[in-house]
Amino acid sequence: GESVGLHLPTLSVQEGDNSIINCAYSNSASDYFIWYKQESGKGPQFIIDIRSNMDKRQGQRVTVLLNKTVKHLSLQIAATQPGDSAVYFCADVRSNDYKLSFGAGTTVTVRA
Amino acid sequence: EAQVTQNPRYLITVTGKKLTVTCSQNMNHEYMSWYRQDPGLGLRQIYYSMNVEVTDKGDVPEGYKVSRKEKRNFPLILESPSPNQTSLYFCASSPREGNTIYFGEGSWLTVV
Repeated sequence: GESVGLHLPTLSVQEGDNSIINCAYSNSASDYFIWYKQESGKGPQFIIDIRSNMDKRQGQRVTVLLNKTVKHLSLQIAATQPGDSAVYFCADVRSNDYKLSFGAGTTVTVRA
Repeated sequence: EAQVTQNPRYLITVTGKKLTVTCSQNMNHEYMSWYRQDPGLGLRQIYYSMNVEVTDKGDVPEGYKVSRKEKRNFPLILESPSPNQTSLYFCASSPREGNTIYFGEGSWLTVV
């Protein structure tokens, strides 16, 4: 079936380095895509989103890239900090009913 | 402050004893939904509601019921809980048109 998934379940990053978290999706009808961050004991928090008619979008220290040709989504975090340690989820959204489909998540651990 | 509030946050119950997890949002959002989060499976949608008195099944609705009698509240009902419903549950809401989906803090449910 159609789904959104992440390439790797875990990612260990040195503090100060850039992080890249990848996601593959299969639903070509998705209208936009969202990255969420979930810290331990908390609900998912919105980080950044990108619409299907865009290739790149930048936020504060984060950049999302969308490659529709290969159905690939990535989140880049610049100068990773200890506070970036969390589980990151990508999700695709269907515009007709705003249903989100989540990937399984990537656990990012920042090494001091 | 924009909030999605869930109660209870933590609950241990016995098989077959009906329980309700409440969810309330103060943002006048039309769209609300429930997810469960299990290790390795990410967030899976249980039920969603596009508006008052309008509810639909998500990906894993079996064993759950919902109601949407008023805009702000969207309770999740487990008529006869079973151990496979032990999970972390999240309620979420969003405006009908928009891309920011707000999540509650989560409700840890254990069924013994």
